[in-house]
Amino acid sequence: GAVVSQHPSWVICKSGTSVKIECRSLDFQATTMFWYRQFPKQSLMLMATSNEGSKATYEQGVEKDKFLINHASLTLSTLTVTSAHPEDSSFYICSARPRGEKLFFGSGTQLSVL
Amino acid sequence: DAKTTQPNSMESNEEEPVHLPCNHSTISGTDYIHWYRQLPSQGPEYVIHGLTSNVNNRMASLAIAEDRKSSTLILHRATLRDAAVYYCILRDWGIKAAGNKLTFGGGTRVLVKP
Repeated sequence: GAVVSQHPSWVICKSGTSVKIECRSLDFQATTMFWYRQFPKQSLMLMATSNEGSKATYEQGVEKDKFLINHASLTLSTLTVTSAHPEDSSFYICSARPRGEKLFFGSGTQLSVL
Repeated sequence: DAKTTQPNSMESNEEEPVHLPCNHSTISGTDYIHWYRQLPSQGPEYVIHGLTSNVNNRMASLAIAEDRKSSTLILHRATLRDAAVYYCILRDWGIKAAGNKLTFGGGTRVLVKP
């Protein structure tokens, strides 16, 4: 089956620094990828839709200047959390749909901001 | 987006079937019914999806009510590895741009007892 690879699986950073998370589709091309955030004991919240070669579409309430998304190729989307603060600590998950109805998810990135 | 309602949690004994209900009374004719599950500290994984007819695959069965206002995910023989949060999600394939994304609700936390 299709594989979505996400890296890193966990990261610890100091407050005020920026963190980049990569999401790759390993065996298919993805013109669209989705970024989710999940706080402990809560459901996934869609942050944005990443579109290859164009601007990302952000969900209401998500700061686009805070969460920079770049989708420069058909197999790679990146999410950069800029000037991270402790409240940005969360589990970030990407996903993509090669074709049909199935959505494939990365294994997630646990971000801890000190 | 049409909403789904699921019980917060369910318990099952190992080797026994698990029936997970989902209500979606406002479902539209172009909504697919999706089920995903999320194991602890992992990204969600696809379980099954359907439109009108019941569906079976190696993981589970999906029983869809005749009026499509509810559905039930059936795990035929629960194992300890099936302990996860199960999400019932509607995806409108009739809206190309907005319908590509999946919006997660609260899900049902399944506990499997040995």
